[in-house]
Amino acid sequence: EIVLTQSPATLSLSPGERATLSCRASQSVSSYLAWYQQKPGQAPRLLIYDASNRATGIPARFSGSGSGTDFTLTISSLEPEDFAVYYCQQRSNWPPVITFGQGTRLEIK
Amino acid sequence: EVQLVQSGAEVKKPGESLKISCKGSGYSFTSYWIGWVRQMPGKGLEWMGIIYPGDSDTRYSPSFQGQVTISADKSISTAYLQWSSLKASDTAMYYCVRYSAGWIDYWGQGTLVTVSS
Repeated sequence: EIVLTQSPATLSLSPGERATLSCRASQSVSSYLAWYQQKPGQAPRLLIYDASNRATGIPARFSGSGSGTDFTLTISSLEPEDFAVYYCQQRSNWPPVITFGQGTRLEIK
Repeated sequence: EVQLVQSGAEVKKPGESLKISCKGSGYSFTSYWIGWVRQMPGKGLEWMGIIYPGDSDTRYSPSFQGQVTISADKSISTAYLQWSSLKASDTAMYYCVRYSAGWIDYWGQGTLVTVSS
């Protein structure tokens, strides 16, 4: 089973700053990695798929990079609405297997 | 417009059975995998299992195999998640999701299941 480990667990930053979130896989997932954002009381939404492709309607300040076992989600300049929990997900053995990371909480400093 | 509309919140007692639903619309229901994701209070996302409504091919996460049953009725574009005997630890929000090439591109609004004596 592939395990995804996200770091840090919590990231405290101010609006306008750059955020860098990490997701590490226990074995290679090639580029089969996605990022989701979840705000309180809402369902998650897809931000990035295939490691670096932005989903429809996602602002350009969100970018993804990486391959193999190490991946990064970067938010270039934080907006107030970006403070949320972010999850990575892999689908290297799809179907059927997918796994999620445990999440990174991005909070206002 | 693609929509996944889930059934409403449930309050049950331990040992009771439950079946929650998810109706898809705005797309070809039989052409995409549908799945369920659990989120326990204050916790992360857990993949439970998936079904391909076109042929009812169903797969489960090892963590949920034998604990729940996933099914679908393609005639009414509806997927289901059911329990035969609920436990307090089943208390959670359950999301119905649509997969596109292994990525979740649409989420239902969630069904909150509370199991308490």
